[in-house]
Amino acid sequence: AQSVTQPDARVTVSEGASLQLRCKYSYFGTPYLFWYVQYPRQGLQLLLKYYPGDPVVQGVNGFEAEFSKSNSSFHLRKASVHWSDWAVYFCAVKGNMGYKLTFGTGTSLLVDP
Amino acid sequence: EAAVTQSPRSKVAVTGGKVTLSCHQTNNHDYMYWYRQDTGHGLRLIHYSYVADSTEKGDIPDGYKASRPSQENFSLILELASLSQTAVYFCASKGTEVFFGKGTRLTVV
Repeated sequence: AQSVTQPDARVTVSEGASLQLRCKYSYFGTPYLFWYVQYPRQGLQLLLKYYPGDPVVQGVNGFEAEFSKSNSSFHLRKASVHWSDWAVYFCAVKGNMGYKLTFGTGTSLLVDP
Repeated sequence: EAAVTQSPRSKVAVTGGKVTLSCHQTNNHDYMYWYRQDTGHGLRLIHYSYVADSTEKGDIPDGYKASRPSQENFSLILELASLSQTAVYFCASKGTEVFFGKGTRLTVV
C-alpha cells in the first residue's frame, strides 16, 4: 500500500529565511509525487509534481522539491519565504497507472514577520 | 480554466438526518473523487468514480454512499449523519492533474 509521512505538523520560519518541509513516501514501484498548498478556507492547489526524470522539480512561487529514491523522500524547499506562504502544505503520492492520490497529514507553515 | 464546484460550502446537519453534498466539474474529466479532511489525518479517500453511473469505494467508505448520474456531477450521501462525520469534504476531478473544489464544511450536531 502507498503512504506518505510528513513528520512535522507545524513549522515556523522568519520571513526571508529558507524553508524545507519534509516528506517521506512508501510506494512499491515508480512513484509520482506532488506537493499541494491549502490556503485558509480554500481547496488544494498544485505547487509542483514529480514524474520520473530530473529529481529536482520547480514549482510555482519559487518552490522546488527534490526526489530521492534512496531516501524515499520528496522534500519541499524555498530559498526565501514570504508572508503569503503562510498555509498548509500536503505531500501526496500515486503510482504510474494509479487512480488514487494518497496524502500525508500536512504541515502548517507559519511565517514570522 | 478547470473548475470543480461544491455545494453547499457549509452545512449544519442533525444526527440521524440525511445529508447530500454535491459536486460539479466542467473539466470533462473521467475520474472524480470525494475526500474527507480531518485535523491530523490529512485527506482520506471516501469514494471515487471513473465513469457515469458507477462508483467505487475508497479507503473510508463506511457511512457514505456516492452517486455519479453524469460525467459532470458526483454526489456524496450520508444517509444517517453521525457526529463523527463532522469534517471538511473535498471533491476533486482528475485529468493529467487533480483539481479540487473549495470544500464543504459539514457540522453534525
